[in-house]
Amino acid sequence: DAGVTQSPTHLIKTRGQQVTLRCSPKSGHDTVSWYQQALGQGPQFIFQYYEEEERQRGNFPDRFSGHQFPNYSSELNVNALLLGDSALYLCASSYGGQETQYFGPGTRLLVL
Amino acid sequence: QKEVEQNSGPLSVPEGAIASLNCTYSDRGSQSFFWYRQYSGKSPELIMFIYSNGDKEDGRFTAQLNKASQYVSLLIRDSQPSDSATYLCAVTGGGNQFYFGTGTSLTVIP
Repeated sequence: DAGVTQSPTHLIKTRGQQVTLRCSPKSGHDTVSWYQQALGQGPQFIFQYYEEEERQRGNFPDRFSGHQFPNYSSELNVNALLLGDSALYLCASSYGGQETQYFGPGTRLLVL
Repeated sequence: QKEVEQNSGPLSVPEGAIASLNCTYSDRGSQSFFWYRQYSGKSPELIMFIYSNGDKEDGRFTAQLNKASQYVSLLIRDSQPSDSATYLCAVTGGGNQFYFGTGTSLTVIP
């Protein structure tokens, strides 16, 4: 049973650049949520995708956008990167309306 | 602003002891409560969840929920060095948006 996968594992970018992170949900799951976790903090909810639409969004600027594909995989795009965007980006998947979420290994982004 | 508060620790307990981790939340409408374990440099791993007032046991772990006091806790019995990690409390209001605390760092001393 394949768990949640994310790519890449690590990424280094410079300020102003754009980045795309990818996530494949756990087998049988159709809902993907994205989180940002800064060092020493808990994960912060960015948004959730279900049926290829953004269902819910946290308090993040429009520079953060996403997409969900028909196979339920998802992308997180961040434009005009800032130093403060450096964090661990986590993808979590779940099934339908169920709240139990399972996290992927994360992508560690460093913005220089 | 929905808030989830945890003592950041570090909490140190000897091997074999009971570790008690606490969490309070601000939104009385919160419905579901989760505990995740996060090893350094890794992603959160689901330990257990609880929806109803009272205790829920799963192996060495017991989650306790008191909605009137807006309080949820996690007890780890017979603590092992492998339990050393950061424990994250998460709360939802039924909308699938998780609100996490900052986590409590636990060290189990052999």
